[in-house]
Amino acid sequence: RKEVEQDPGPFNVPEGATVAFNCTYSNSASQSFFWYRQDCRKEPKLLMSVYSSGNEDGRFTAQLNRASQYISLLIRDSKLSDSATYLCVVNVPSGGATNKLIFGTGTLLAVQP
Amino acid sequence: DGGITQSPKYLFRKEGQNVTLSCEQNLNHDAMYWYRQDPGQGLRLIYYSQIVNDFQKGDIAEGYSVSREKKESFPLTVTSAQKNPTAFYLCASSVRQGALYYGYTFGSGTRLTVV
Repeated sequence: RKEVEQDPGPFNVPEGATVAFNCTYSNSASQSFFWYRQDCRKEPKLLMSVYSSGNEDGRFTAQLNRASQYISLLIRDSKLSDSATYLCVVNVPSGGATNKLIFGTGTLLAVQP
Repeated sequence: DGGITQSPKYLFRKEGQNVTLSCEQNLNHDAMYWYRQDPGQGLRLIYYSQIVNDFQKGDIAEGYSVSREKKESFPLTVTSAQKNPTAFYLCASSVRQGALYYGYTFGSGTRLTVV
């Protein structure tokens, strides 16, 4: 089983739609979680951090379910500019006093006019 | 403005050559990282460094080398031993608080192609 798994998509949705992505992780000791957005041929940029059960930022809501080991990202009222790849990222212990980030392969979202 | 600068943006390497990718940050971040991204795959960690003059191998370190002589700089050398170096290389940095890392910030990347 991969450490972080995402549905690669693509998710093709019309403008104004609500879309949700799920991500599962295998390491139950994982401590923090993030959603990054990556535009084509660009670097990833932090979209949201998820440290407890979840959080909300405008049209974006992230939720964490530790019991089932999954994180979700909900985008409401989709805009054309939301089209991108969304990376699920998990902070896992890596031995000693260090942690490391594990990246999912990303979910591609295409918002259609 | 604080940030991470990677150079060059595009790099072409001939077979058997070593090339060095530059990464500089002025965020005063403790930790720095190098990742490789291939189509259809997640970012894979090559090397990371938590303090000056110290670094550790990531998941795919073979064929790569790094140095961390200054807090601001973490160059990556792709050696001729790396058999498939064509990829998008991303440098990142973060603040360290205990075992956790915050404020992960990426540079704009270097696209390396073997010709």
